[in-house]
This record gives sequence, C-alpha cells and structure tokens, in this order.
Amino acid sequence: ETGVTQTPRHLVMGMTNKKSLKCEQHLGHNAMYWYKQSAKKPLELMFVYNFKEQTENNSVPSRFSPECPNSSHLFLHLHTLQPEDSALYLCASSQGSDGGNQPQHFGDGTRLSIL
Amino acid sequence: KQEVTQIPAALSVPEGENLVLNCSFTDSAIYNLQWFRQDPGKGLTSLLLIQSSQREQTSGRLNASLDKSSGRSTLYIAASQPGDSATYLCAVPYSSASKIIFGSGTRLSIRP
Repeated sequence: ETGVTQTPRHLVMGMTNKKSLKCEQHLGHNAMYWYKQSAKKPLELMFVYNFKEQTENNSVPSRFSPECPNSSHLFLHLHTLQPEDSALYLCASSQGSDGGNQPQHFGDGTRLSIL
Repeated sequence: KQEVTQIPAALSVPEGENLVLNCSFTDSAIYNLQWFRQDPGKGLTSLLLIQSSQREQTSGRLNASLDKSSGRSTLYIAASQPGDSATYLCAVPYSSASKIIFGSGTRLSIRP
C-alpha cells in the first residue's frame, strides 16, 4: 500500500468515448502528478499540480484534461483518444512541488487500451 | 535537452551476485538523481535520492553513486536475491525541480 490509489486499474474504451481516471492520495501531500508510460518508451511527465494549481503541462494534447479539486484528488478526463494513447497512466504525489527534491509516491496505475 | 540513458536494457544474474546498474545523463545541471524500482503491473517505488551536492547514498544492500561531472550514476546491489527482480529506473529533475526526466530502465532478473 503506497498511499496513492488509482481507479480503475484497467480501462478499455473506444475513440469516441469519454472517461475519467481518478487518483486519490492519503499522505497529506501538496503536489500531484500524472505520468504516461508507453511500451518501450521512458516514463513521461504529463501534468503537475501544486496546492490545486497546475504548474506544469508538458505539451499534452487537449484530449487529456486534468482536474484537481483539492490536494488529495486528481482526475484525468479523456475524450476522443487515439490508439497511440494506449498506455499505463501513473499518478504520483509528493510533499512539495519541487518534486525532484521530495520523493514521489506512485499509485499502481490505470492500464488504458483504446480500440 | 536532457537525455537519460540506462544500459543494459536487461540483465540476468544468478542469486547472490553483486551487480551494478548504470545511468547516464547528458546535462550535468541537475538538482538530484533518483533511483526507482517498478514491479510488473505496479507503480514506481522510490529507492534512493542523491542530492546534486552528494556523491552517494546507501539503503540496506543498495548503494547509489553520482558523478555529475561525467554525467553518470550507478546503483550497486549487493548479494542479490530473487526478490530484487524488477525494472530499475533512474530519473533527474531538469529545467525545473518538478519536471523529471526518466531513463528507459534496466529489467533485472535474479535466477534462484
């Protein structure tokens, strides 16, 4: 148990569907992150939130829409996705948004498959 | 642009051996370097974080070193065990402390 819970663990959707990924952390952290892990590619940072404010958007396509209603919850809203978006989506949290200097705690991810 | 490389991509050794995993980065202007472990179907677990001013960090059987000038880090695992089998990733924050660049990882298999 890492203190970071992601749901669902697996998701299969068509390109025209709309779905959301959820992340919740029970660690009292202030910063939360979304990462994408594709097969045979390095882990890629997507978004960073610090105290509910977005501080990093790593040139992510607008079909991915993050939402952070409070410091404990982070969502990733998905619409009109492409087959290349199939990947493992990981959420992480840390005590501060200087995430490199504070260890990040990861959830187990959502395995997303786009048909 | 920062690039992080890990060689080899995969490694298989018999139980009990000491081993070294390598990580290299192209730009030495880093805040720190972190090593993570990822088990199949799981997220990442932070193993060691070395600040840019430090040369090494130790945790149990793990020892990580950092040589900023040469752009290299190593993760030394002593007396390897089958439970050490996992993918090991190194990562460096770059351009901003919250923007982390990951290597592709080394998939380690320890044979009983």
